[in-house]
Amino acid sequence: DTEVTQTPKHLVMGMTNKKSLKCEQHMGHRAMYWYKQKAKKPPELMFVYSYEKLSINESVPSRFSPECPNSSLLNLHLHALQPEDSALYLCASSQDGGNTIYFGEGSWLTVV
Amino acid sequence: AQSVSQHNHHVILSEAASLELGCNYSYGGTVNLFWYVQYPGQHLQLLLKYFSGDPLVKGIKGFEAEFIKSKFSFNLRKPSVQWSDTAEYFCAVNAAYSGAGSYQLTFGKGTKLSVIP
Repeated sequence: DTEVTQTPKHLVMGMTNKKSLKCEQHMGHRAMYWYKQKAKKPPELMFVYSYEKLSINESVPSRFSPECPNSSLLNLHLHALQPEDSALYLCASSQDGGNTIYFGEGSWLTVV
Repeated sequence: AQSVSQHNHHVILSEAASLELGCNYSYGGTVNLFWYVQYPGQHLQLLLKYFSGDPLVKGIKGFEAEFIKSKFSFNLRKPSVQWSDTAEYFCAVNAAYSGAGSYQLTFGKGTKLSVIP
């Protein structure tokens, strides 16, 4: 079982809504990630946080806003999304000195 | 930048058949290699990984993979597949260290495996 916990598992939102995806890990990992995965495609990196600082933003539209309140938590704030943003959003983490990225179960997002 | 190629888009096998999924990567330096599996409607799970040492690595559920440096390959194998192995399989390479504990993981496009009972 994954030790990266994501909530909610499923989210349906309208294009004018504001919602958030949450991610938590208690493995002491200091890097956390958001990936987006469309059906039958590999995950695509969105953001990387390292030691609670945003280190990589892969040119993600501003309607996605990440936040890292502390070393265990990672949020993804969603506002004014488009139907094409519907996807599986995966959170992941890794530890300093380790090379493996561990994924959560994902949040299935549907924008209507 | 690193890249990963998975040659087979969709593989269909009967139960008990042997499996080999191809993966080639492009990167001139030291690499860490991974195979992830994603069962229908589920999250990514790590099958196995190679960092160094014995190039033949064994993972969960009877899977193994062989790292052949000269061929830049990391093919996944299983002697006898089961219906429950039906899933999407992703090869990934982790070669670029982004600094301070974070890594850049590059995925191949995935291979869908369908096992017919």
